[in-house]
Amino acid sequence: AQSVTQPDIHITVSEGASLELRCNYSYGATPYLFWYVQSPGQGLQLLLKYFSGDTLVQGIKGFEAEFKRSQSSFNLRKPSVHWSDAAEYFCAVGPGGATNKLIFGTGTLLAVQP
Amino acid sequence: EAEVAQSPRYKITEKSQAVAFWCDPISGHATLYWYRQILGQGPELLVQFQDESVVDDSQLPKDRFSAERLKGVDSTLKIQPAELGDSAMYLCASSASGGASYNEQFFGPGTRLTVL
Repeated sequence: AQSVTQPDIHITVSEGASLELRCNYSYGATPYLFWYVQSPGQGLQLLLKYFSGDTLVQGIKGFEAEFKRSQSSFNLRKPSVHWSDAAEYFCAVGPGGATNKLIFGTGTLLAVQP
Repeated sequence: EAEVAQSPRYKITEKSQAVAFWCDPISGHATLYWYRQILGQGPELLVQFQDESVVDDSQLPKDRFSAERLKGVDSTLKIQPAELGDSAMYLCASSASGGASYNEQFFGPGTRLTVL
């Protein structure tokens, strides 16, 4: 069965520091991969997605993610974190097909220290 | 910019009562999704509609939950009776449909349900 693992429940970084959030997936073929961000009390906003092609994907708000097939990973990175990046981040896998379904990880809560 | 609308934003109810949530997708989006997000977890798909038809309701607790999208536009999710374990954020999303590639899902702000 498809699944997504985000091993870090909570991460704290200093403003201006670099960030990497981990995501590992389990799926038989190459899935569609996504990162979403959720601010407190809000819905989810898509940061970036990977379907195929270049394994380094650029997203909004200065985020990028790299797909590594050998490691079944799709880690999210940002070179310099801003206080406004404090939020919860969800990795998701879309098996594709007619259902367009998304399977989410449990999320990583990011805190940013001044 | 077009958005997915949901109401109410917050709902407090007592157990055994009935509650209903409403979602209005982005205009022209044929596919509509209801997700449940329990605190500390990722969203889980409850039901997916294609126009007015249910595509996937495998995770919907059908003994107490129901969902409808009668005219293939807006949708209502109902819980009757509510239980303490139903306290969660209920998210609605919509996407265009058709074509071979994945269609991005756009999420509404959610309804936060608290069952006392």
